[in-house]
Amino acid sequence: KAGVTQTPRYLIKTRGQQVTLSCSPISGHRSVSWYQQTPGQGLQFLFEYFSETQRNKGNFPGRFSGRQFSNSRSEMNVSTLELGDSALYLCASRREGETQYFGPGTRLLVL
Amino acid sequence: KNQVEQSPQSLIILEGKNCTLQCNYTVSPFSNLRWYKQDTGRGPVSLTIMTFSENTKSNGRYTATLDADTKQSSLHITASQLSDSASYICVVNKDSSYKLIFGSGTRLLVRP
Repeated sequence: KAGVTQTPRYLIKTRGQQVTLSCSPISGHRSVSWYQQTPGQGLQFLFEYFSETQRNKGNFPGRFSGRQFSNSRSEMNVSTLELGDSALYLCASRREGETQYFGPGTRLLVL
Repeated sequence: KNQVEQSPQSLIILEGKNCTLQCNYTVSPFSNLRWYKQDTGRGPVSLTIMTFSENTKSNGRYTATLDADTKQSSLHITASQLSDSASYICVVNKDSSYKLIFGSGTRLLVRP
């Protein structure tokens, strides 16, 4: 059974640009969550999607947005990138009531 | 305030030795506590999940304990191997809404 996949794995952008990250959950998993991980802040929850609807949201500015498609694949978008957005972005999927499985992450560097 | 604090921040041990990582939390209400292992450049992988009523849970050489009264958990690694070098993250699930609160992790280095 394939795990959670994320694309791209690495990305370099400049300040002011926008970026879209993609996550394909494990087959049968309808919940997809996104996290930002930085050395200083650790793992921080961005948002969770379930059945194409945002179900939970962390404390991030509106520049961070996401969506989920009918096949449960999810995308995360960050607009007007700032240097501080450089981080590892992790996606995790799960079935309801079960533990979540993380993808390998997308490492974003903002110059 | 709901917090999860881990200690030590980093740890270096020799291969074959045992070690114990600590996690203290103030999250309430509490649903479950998880330990994750995260290798450099990879996503976290679940090691153990414990609910309020569980005191200990093992996964191979990893044994997690939970004291819900004192709100403390520990992860004990037996006979460490070089592949145990990673960050270990303690995560507490607040109530039943699947709101996860993450600790900042303990970075473990196992040396030959």
